[in-house]
Amino acid sequence: DTGVSQNPRHKITKRGQNVTFRCDPISEHNRLYWYRQTLGQGPEFLTYFQNEAQLEKSRLLSDRFSAERPKGSFSTLEIQRTEQGDSAMYLCASSPGLSDRYFFGPGTRLTVT
Amino acid sequence: AQTVTQSQPEMSVQEAETVTLSCTYDTSESNYYLFWYKQPPSRQMILVIRQEAYKQQNATENRFSVNFQKAAKSFSLKISDSQLGDTAMYFCAFTQGAQKLVFGQGTRLTINP
Repeated sequence: DTGVSQNPRHKITKRGQNVTFRCDPISEHNRLYWYRQTLGQGPEFLTYFQNEAQLEKSRLLSDRFSAERPKGSFSTLEIQRTEQGDSAMYLCASSPGLSDRYFFGPGTRLTVT
Repeated sequence: AQTVTQSQPEMSVQEAETVTLSCTYDTSESNYYLFWYKQPPSRQMILVIRQEAYKQQNATENRFSVNFQKAAKSFSLKISDSQLGDTAMYFCAFTQGAQKLVFGQGTRLTINP
C-alpha cells in the first residue's frame, strides 16, 4: 500500500493556460474523489468516480474543468483557460467499495499568475 | 442543505493540556458518518477519528475522543495530554454512505511548549 499519490505537487501557470493534474489512488480502491481547498478553508467537493463512471459533479466544476478516470485506475483533472480564482490546493482521495474510509493524497498546489 | 460549522477558527493551549474542538452539522438523514481530520502544515490530510451515527457509544482513539450528541447534531473532539505534534488544522466532516465528504471551515490548533 503506497498511498494516494498526486502529480505534480506544485504548478505555477499564467492566466489563460491549460493545466492537468494526475491522481493515482490506492490500488483496487474503486471510488476516487477530487476536492479543492483554498487557503484557510476546508476542502470543497468537486467530483467523484466509481470505477470509470463519473457519478457526481459539483456546481463548482465549471465547464472549464474536466475530469476523467479511464479504466477505473488513475484520474486526471484538467482546467482550461485558467483564472486567478483557480489558485488553490487540489486534493484527491480514494476509498474502497462500500467503505466510509477515505485516504487523501498530498495535493497539487496551483498558482495562477 | 448539508453543512458543517466549526465555530472556533483558532485555538491555542499549552503542551499536556486538554483541548476540545467544537463542531455542529446539519443533515436530514438518520444514518451517516462523522469524521475529524488533521492537516499538519504543508502535509496531507489524515484521519483522526470517525463515528458512525447509529452507534451511541462515543468513539475513542488513544488520546482522542469525541462527544457525539445526535439530537443536537454536535460532534466535538477532545484531545487529552496534548503534544507539540498535534499542532495542525482540524476539520470536522460528515458523509452519507459512499458519498462525498462535507467539511467544516477548520480550526487551527496550536500546542505551545
